[in-house]
Formats: sequence, structure tokens, C-alpha cells
Amino acid sequence: KAGVTQTPRYLIKTRGQQVTLSCSPISGHRSVSWYQQTPGQGLQFLFEYFSETQRNKGNFPGRFSGRQFSNSRSEMNVSTLELGDSALYLCASSLQVLRETQYFGPGTRLLVL
Amino acid sequence: GENVEQHPSTLSVQEGDSAVIKCTYSDSASNYFPWYKQELGKGPQLIIDIRSNVGEKKDQRIAVTLNKTAKHFSLHITETQPEDSAVYFCAASMNTGNQFYFGTGTSLTVIP
Repeated sequence: KAGVTQTPRYLIKTRGQQVTLSCSPISGHRSVSWYQQTPGQGLQFLFEYFSETQRNKGNFPGRFSGRQFSNSRSEMNVSTLELGDSALYLCASSLQVLRETQYFGPGTRLLVL
Repeated sequence: GENVEQHPSTLSVQEGDSAVIKCTYSDSASNYFPWYKQELGKGPQLIIDIRSNVGEKKDQRIAVTLNKTAKHFSLHITETQPEDSAVYFCAASMNTGNQFYFGTGTSLTVIP
């Protein structure tokens, strides 16, 4: 089975712009979670989607949003980018929602200038 | 919410020695504890996990132990090899959804 794929792998944006990141889960997986990874804060949970519905949300401002499509692919959007949004954004997929093993993609490295 | 603490933040061992990484959690409702290995430029990869109804689990050179009473769990790597060098993360989750709480990571260096 192919693993979790994320596009693009690298991205450079300037402050004030917006960005959309994409995640394709493992075939058959219906739950997709997003995480932000930074050296200072570690891995922080953004949100989780299951069957096109947001089921859980972390403690991030409303500039961070996401959605999931009927084929389980997911996108996350960050509007009005700030320098502090520079991070590795990781997507993870799992079969169902409750306590299932999560499989991570390689991440999208976002640099905000 | 859940708080996961991980120690040490860095660890250097000689090739062939054992490495131990420890994590504690705060919420007794947590019942699933995975460990991830992250190599440079890659996403975290699951290496072993344990559920709260089990005290110990082993997979070749890797083992995890869980002490529910003390709310701590540990990763043990025996006969370390240079390719074990990476950042290791512990995590905890509970029945309410798919949210995982991660430790801050341990950078393991295995010296040949």
C-alpha cells in the first residue's frame, strides 16, 4: 500500500499571504489529522477529520482551517501568514477515529518570510 | 488536557549499548501509547505501541513498558546500531477521538 502523501513538500511564502496544503491518506483510511511541528513547541495537534467532518480541534487560531473530501483526501489552509507559522506540517491517517494507529506523511516544510 | 513529559531530551550511547527513554502522562483516561521515530527530513514513523491493558510489549530489539499506576511508560532499545540514531517521540491518547499528545522528543545518537 502506498503511504500518506503530502504536497507540496516545500513552500516559501511571505507574511500576509495564504497557503493550502494537501494530504492523501493511505487507501481505506478515513481519519486524517494535521499537526504542526516546530523546534520550540514540538508536535502540536491542529485538527482531525473523519467522513468529511471535523471531529477534534486543537488550540490554534481561526486562521488555520481544513476540510476533507469524500475520497478522504484533506487540505489545510492558513490565511494571513505570520512568521511564526514557519514549521513542518504533518498529516497522519488512520482507519477509524478512536485510538487507532496513526501513520504520518513526510510533511510540508513551510517557510514564511 | 493531557500533558506528556519526555526525558532525556538528548541521549548518546555507544553502539551495542542499550538506550532507555522515559515518558510520563497526566490523564489517567489515556489508554494508548505509541512511540515514533523521526529521521531527518521525514515524518514520524510508528515503531511500537502499547495499550493500557498490557504491561510490556517487545518487538525484536525494541520494547515498551507501561506502569499505569505511576502513569509512566518507557522505550527500551537494546544492542543499538548507528541507524537507530534519530529523534524519538512518545505519545498518549484516549478514547475521545483521534487526538494524540506528544512528548517533546529525544534525540538519540549511537556512536559507532
